[in-house]
Amino acid sequence: GAGVSQSPSNKVTEKGKDVELRCDPISGHTALYWYRQSLGQGLEFLIYFQGNSAPDKSGLPSDRFSAERTGGSVSTLTIQRTQQEDSAVYLCASSSWGGDEKLFFGSGTQLSVL
Amino acid sequence: EDQVTQSPEALRLQEGESSSLNCSYTVSGLRGLFWYRQDPGKGPEFLFTLYSAGEEKEKERLKATLTKKESFLHITAPKPEDSATYLCAVHDGGSNYKLTFGKGTLLTVNP
Repeated sequence: GAGVSQSPSNKVTEKGKDVELRCDPISGHTALYWYRQSLGQGLEFLIYFQGNSAPDKSGLPSDRFSAERTGGSVSTLTIQRTQQEDSAVYLCASSSWGGDEKLFFGSGTQLSVL
Repeated sequence: EDQVTQSPEALRLQEGESSSLNCSYTVSGLRGLFWYRQDPGKGPEFLFTLYSAGEEKEKERLKATLTKKESFLHITAPKPEDSATYLCAVHDGGSNYKLTFGKGTLLTVNP
């Protein structure tokens, strides 16, 4: 596709349920990032994938959060046992090699935990 | 810990009224400072990267400058379509990929 695609665009769930958020990066981009944007806060780094290297998971806020990237392309961010504080916009970005270069962001998934 | 502080939080301008947005940062070793634009319901869109003090970059009505402690985004004769949230971010010395973002400046340009 022409850009980074994220689905769903909106997700409403009940506290305690699990959710999966999907990201399709730009074709050929080896680097993929997940960020979280909470109301009134800056974007918060969650996780980084680069090619076949082990991901940098240092930004994941708790062990309820996990992510995987299959075949070096599509990525899924999973949040287990969702809590109200997980409500935020989850943004995915990709770049061609992951260094000091611009990121291409998707439009995000707005997650609301009731 | 790296810190990025943007000011003001919100700015209202009349069309044609030039102004500047500020981004002050504290990092152990700056590898790059980035400006992004974010429209409502969209992800951030890249504008500029600055690497060293004294560097300047321009794009249409926008010019970004960098000192050792802060960056400015100058907006000359803005138009209503320049209305957006402008985000500043830095790569710290320990990472060439992890960005620390400021909270942004919400710019509104009235016709």
